[in-house]
Formats: sequence, C-alpha cells, structure tokens
Amino acid sequence: QSVLTQAPSMSAAPGQRVTISCSGTNSNVGKNFVSWYQQFPGAAPKLLIYENNKRPSEIPDRFSASKSGTSATLDITGLQTGDEAEYFCGVRDSSLASWVFGGGTQVTVL
Amino acid sequence: QVQLVQSGAEVKKPGDSVRVSCKASGYIFTSVGISWVRQVPGQGLEWVGWIAAYNDKADYGRRFQGRVTMNTDTATSTAYMELRGLTSDDTAVYYCARWLVTDHFDFWGQGTVVTVSP
Repeated sequence: QSVLTQAPSMSAAPGQRVTISCSGTNSNVGKNFVSWYQQFPGAAPKLLIYENNKRPSEIPDRFSASKSGTSATLDITGLQTGDEAEYFCGVRDSSLASWVFGGGTQVTVL
Repeated sequence: QVQLVQSGAEVKKPGDSVRVSCKASGYIFTSVGISWVRQVPGQGLEWVGWIAAYNDKADYGRRFQGRVTMNTDTATSTAYMELRGLTSDDTAVYYCARWLVTDHFDFWGQGTVVTVSP
C-alpha cells in the first residue's frame, strides 16, 4: 500500500490528453516538492518533472504538472505511442522522515 | 555527461549480504547525494535510503534501518549500498540515482538485479 495514491492505469487515443493524479497528505505532497518519473519496461526511471512543475530541458512541453494542496497532477497532451510507460510521483514525507513514491500509473495509448 | 554505472547482477542465499556499487562520472561527486531505490519485479518503486556524498551522512528507510549501510569513496566517485540479512522479499532491481538538494533524482543508474534464492 503506497503512501501516495495513483490510479493503476489510464488509457487514451493518440493525440488525446491524459491527466495522472497523485494524492497524498499534508506531510508529503502538501508540504514538499513533488517530482514525476517515467519508466519503460526493463529500463530505469527517468525524471520528467521536478519541484512540482519544472521540466528538465530535454523533456518536451507536452508534459506538464501542477500541485494544489495535497494533490499533484501530471498532464500529457498530444499523446504519442512512445508515451506508453509507467509514471510515478515521488515526494519527501516529513512525518515518516522518508521519501515515498506513488504506486505508479500505467499509461496505454489505444 | 552525468553517468551512474552500477555493478552487475548478484545471486545470494537467504541470510547473505549484498553490496552494490554505483560509479559516478560527469559531475563533482561530492556536490550532491546518491539515493538508492529498489523495485520488486512487477511492482512499484521503494526508497531504500540516501547518502550525502559531501559528508557521508546517510538516512535510511524505516524498513531497512539496521539492515542497510550506505557509504561513498570520494577518491573513485563511487557509492555503495550493503544490505544484510537477505530474504526472498529482497529480490529486486536496485537503482542508484543522483539526489539533488531540491529533492529529486535527476540521473539514474542502469539498475542491479539482486536475486535471493535458497
């Protein structure tokens, strides 16, 4: 059972938009920076978003994120077949003195 | 460019210890930290702990406290994670990742498969 809650799977057609949510508490999402990671099967995770809404330079602007209260969201617009992957949110939990990840959301492009 | 290269796959027996290395290059090793994250096959990511390469101060996840030790060798820009008292539940891919002060992991190693089997 993950501390952060994510939907296990989402799907959409190419070109559509997917919004992945990450629900936490005041001791993690509500208090600290959220980051998002993309993982393809058999590969290491890759940083997509840091400090709630910042993108590394190599990440296309189709990927965006925001945070409000104890929830964070990752938006993928103009969905492409190459976006089919698992997406994890992560954040420090001040109460647990630990870093926690969401359970991951598998995105399928129909 | 920043690279983290991990040691190879390990097969261990229950009760054994395993030590995984993570050699960093392309940046000043002592300027940031290294985190270790594991992934049980078919499951999500689990934080094991992290170590600040500039002062060797480490913090460990509660599930691993007393069983894990992390350290660094600044001469070779290498971080190490040792996990003791292995059980089959420790079978996983272990990743190292560069941990920045703004609390995210920007570069990851390729992963080390650790298999614990009688």
